Amino acid sequence: GAVVSQHPSRVICKSGTSVKIECRSLDFQATTMFWYRQFPKQSLMLMATSNEGSKATYEQGVEKDKFLINHASLTLSTLTVTSAHPEDSSFYICSARAIQGAQETQYFGPGTRLLVL
Amino acid sequence: GESVGLHLPTLSVQEGDNSIINCAYSNSASDYFIWYKQESGKGPQFIIDIRSNMDKRQGQRVTVLLNKTVKHLSLQIAATQPGDSAVYFCAENMPSNMLTFGGGTRLMVKP
Repeated sequence: GAVVSQHPSRVICKSGTSVKIECRSLDFQATTMFWYRQFPKQSLMLMATSNEGSKATYEQGVEKDKFLINHASLTLSTLTVTSAHPEDSSFYICSARAIQGAQETQYFGPGTRLLVL
Repeated sequence: GESVGLHLPTLSVQEGDNSIINCAYSNSASDYFIWYKQESGKGPQFIIDIRSNMDKRQGQRVTVLLNKTVKHLSLQIAATQPGDSAVYFCAENMPSNMLTFGGGTRLMVKP
């Protein structure tokens, strides 16, 4: 199946710093990648849709100036949490669309756990 | 999908028994559905999918049933094993081609 990686897997930072998370599709090209956020014991909440070569589309309530998304190539999207605060601590998961049979399916990365002190 | 809650419903089954996890979806125009398995601290893992023109699809030890009349999806796991313990999410592909996730169900397998 399609493999999606994320880096780093875990990061601890001080309040006010910026953190960059990378999402890579390893064995396929993804014109569209997605960024999700997941709090403990909750479902995944879509933050934004990242399209290669164009601006990301953000979901309602997600600050685009705080969560900067760059989709520079067909295999890489980055999420930068700017001026992170403790309330930004969460599990961030990316996914990428790949063709599974005749259907486009989303495959997920392993997630990045962010802890802001 | 279902509304997000702070407490995941939990299904507890004995090892070797069959498990049935249910999900209600929201949009009658959704054309594609996926079940994901998420283990603690990991990203969701694709299990099985089904298109809206089908009502049943089988994989290895897993079966997905789709009832479009009542907008209901279920995942059946045969001979449940300890390694099946995880949170299971259903997802519907909306007409906008976006995935919307259900609230999730925690499956606990007792040895």
